Amino acid sequence: QVQLVQSGAEVKKPGASVKVSCKVSGYILTELAMHWVRQAPGKGLEWMGGIHPEDGETIYAQKFQGRVTMTEDTSTDTAYMELSSLRSEDTAVYYCATASCGGDCQGAWFDPWGQGTLVTVAS
Amino acid sequence: EIVMTQSPATLSVSPGERATLSCRASQSVTSNLAWYQQKPGQAPRLLIFGASTRATGIPARFSGSGSGTEFTLTISSLQSEDFAVYYCQQYNNWPEFTFGPGTKVDIK
Repeated sequence: QVQLVQSGAEVKKPGASVKVSCKVSGYILTELAMHWVRQAPGKGLEWMGGIHPEDGETIYAQKFQGRVTMTEDTSTDTAYMELSSLRSEDTAVYYCATASCGGDCQGAWFDPWGQGTLVTVAS
Repeated sequence: EIVMTQSPATLSVSPGERATLSCRASQSVTSNLAWYQQKPGQAPRLLIFGASTRATGIPARFSGSGSGTEFTLTISSLQSEDFAVYYCQQYNNWPEFTFGPGTKVDIK
């Protein structure tokens, strides 16, 4: 059974970068397609990007292109999401989640999810 | 971008009653729709994918239906643990997946 454990809360100043980790247990990271979703306080869910389950390509939502980098360390089964040029609107809980898709893989749903990492951006 | 809307924003239901939640897409997503449950302070949990397939371990009282632009999540007999926020998500095409704003199900 896949379990995802994320790193702890972060407080960053505007303009800084943050790197959130997501440690996989019960499975091998390379056999999963890791994605990242964020949720601003009291708001809904926003997909940021992740790995295509079939071709392994990393795909980013247009909104975050140029500001987000998703990487993996296969030696420790840990995925990372780094977001740069932080602004107050980036204050949110960031979740990692594994993606699955159907036969034609037109898209993906997410299960399971990590517990979330609160990133606060404030001066 | 495909915009997802959900109604109602809040649904007040008594335990044991049936709850019907709606999700609408701004254009067809065929059956590429998932439903998630989120309780306060917790991560979302997958309930349904492919519009109507229950995820592993999800009780049979949860059912999904619909295709194209109109979808429904039905909870046949609400249990105390079902009071939560429910989100729909379309995944009809890479690389833009979008979620609805959520429906909060609370105790009447």
